[in-house]
Amino acid sequence: EPEVTQTPSHQVTQMGQEVILRCVPISNHLYFYWYRQILGQKVEFLVSFYNNEISEKSEIFDDQFSVERPDGSNFTLKIRSTKLEDSAMYFCASSEATYRGEAFFGQGTRLTVV
Amino acid sequence: KQEVTQIPAALSVPEGENLVLNCSFTDSAIYNLQWFRQDPGKGLTSLLLIQSSQREQTSGRLNASLDKSSGRSTLYIAASQPGDSATYLCAVSSGNTPLVFGKGTRLSVIA
Repeated sequence: EPEVTQTPSHQVTQMGQEVILRCVPISNHLYFYWYRQILGQKVEFLVSFYNNEISEKSEIFDDQFSVERPDGSNFTLKIRSTKLEDSAMYFCASSEATYRGEAFFGQGTRLTVV
Repeated sequence: KQEVTQIPAALSVPEGENLVLNCSFTDSAIYNLQWFRQDPGKGLTSLLLIQSSQREQTSGRLNASLDKSSGRSTLYIAASQPGDSATYLCAVSSGNTPLVFGKGTRLSVIA
């Protein structure tokens, strides 16, 4: 069964460093998303991406964040200068259609900023 | 702004019991509602998707209902098993906003 794949599963980084989280969405899906979940809190929307551009972003998604689809399969989230409060589980998701379509999530990348 | 609330926050039941998890949302103008399962430290597994025009969806022992006008959904789990132990998340899609999540209900099924 097709699935969303995320790498790495766990990343530890020092405050101020840049990190890139990687995702391979399901191959025939057109919409891609990043969400995050701080420990003990709700899953929060960060950004959606369609047709090689951002279609929606939340207040969380400030200038420290960027997304890219560098090739036909990967979808990346970059955090330029990590802060302690960026420590969270980051989930990539994809859907076949619009926001009306069923979203499928990856297993997540646990980011720990020290 | 859409808000999603799930009650109860935690639930512990003996194996074999039928149970109901509740989800409510503040803005009834939704496109769809999705129920997920999350195991500790793991990703989100989609269980059921209900479009706004639908009243319910069923998958195996799971049945989800949607009452859009009152802003409520329920997830019914029949004949619960220890393997059902997980956190169950409700999320709604509305306007131009992708999924807005509730905090979840942590379910423990005791053998």
